[in-house]
Amino acid sequence: DAKTTQPPSMDCAEGRAANLPCNHSTISGNEYVYWYRQIHSQGPQYIIHGLKNNETNEMASLIITEDRKSSTLILPHATLRDTAVYYCIVFPDSNYQLIWGAGTKLIIKP
Amino acid sequence: EAGVTQFPSHSVIEKGQTVTLRCDPISGHDNLYWYRRVMGKEIKFLLHFVKESKQDESGMPNNRFLAERTGGTYSTLKVQPAELEDSGVYFCASSRNPNYNEQFFGPGTRLTVL
Repeated sequence: DAKTTQPPSMDCAEGRAANLPCNHSTISGNEYVYWYRQIHSQGPQYIIHGLKNNETNEMASLIITEDRKSSTLILPHATLRDTAVYYCIVFPDSNYQLIWGAGTKLIIKP
Repeated sequence: EAGVTQFPSHSVIEKGQTVTLRCDPISGHDNLYWYRRVMGKEIKFLLHFVKESKQDESGMPNNRFLAERTGGTYSTLKVQPAELEDSGVYFCASSRNPNYNEQFFGPGTRLTVL
């Protein structure tokens, strides 16, 4: 079973920041937080991951709380192409399976 | 760099027939994974190859499913005989280093069993 909890859906206006929350209260010390997304009819796409520190790349930022029990994925300037299902996955560095939950369906509105 | 490719993109077969799905990972990626999403359900892990060896096949649903990766390059997933509940989208992914789990996914094969 997935070890994360995400809201089933969210809306965001185009051009605004999309903030997607994820709860992972049972996360262990050696487990990473990964974010993937799946745009309709495509394969999942890696976005970002982190362990303790906040991370940023060309796609998004990942904010992890100090107790590591929750995180937020931030898409700084959402576009219509960011409409997708976003998955937050807790992943131990010794297990190579990605365990998927239901994710958050993010709809970007014009 | 070419991405992960999968063939065919769609397959429609009748119950009891055999289907073979193919996955070509990114060149140089030793790790290859199969996942599937059946209708209305979440994506589920099937198995993981490291080169030609099966590292973890704990997600394979039953012995009607056979995955191979001869030579450590492309992989095939055979379903024989196919059942109605096998319908879904089968994804393949590859990664260079399993300890850094950025998996690159193919577009998937949509399998419909009638």
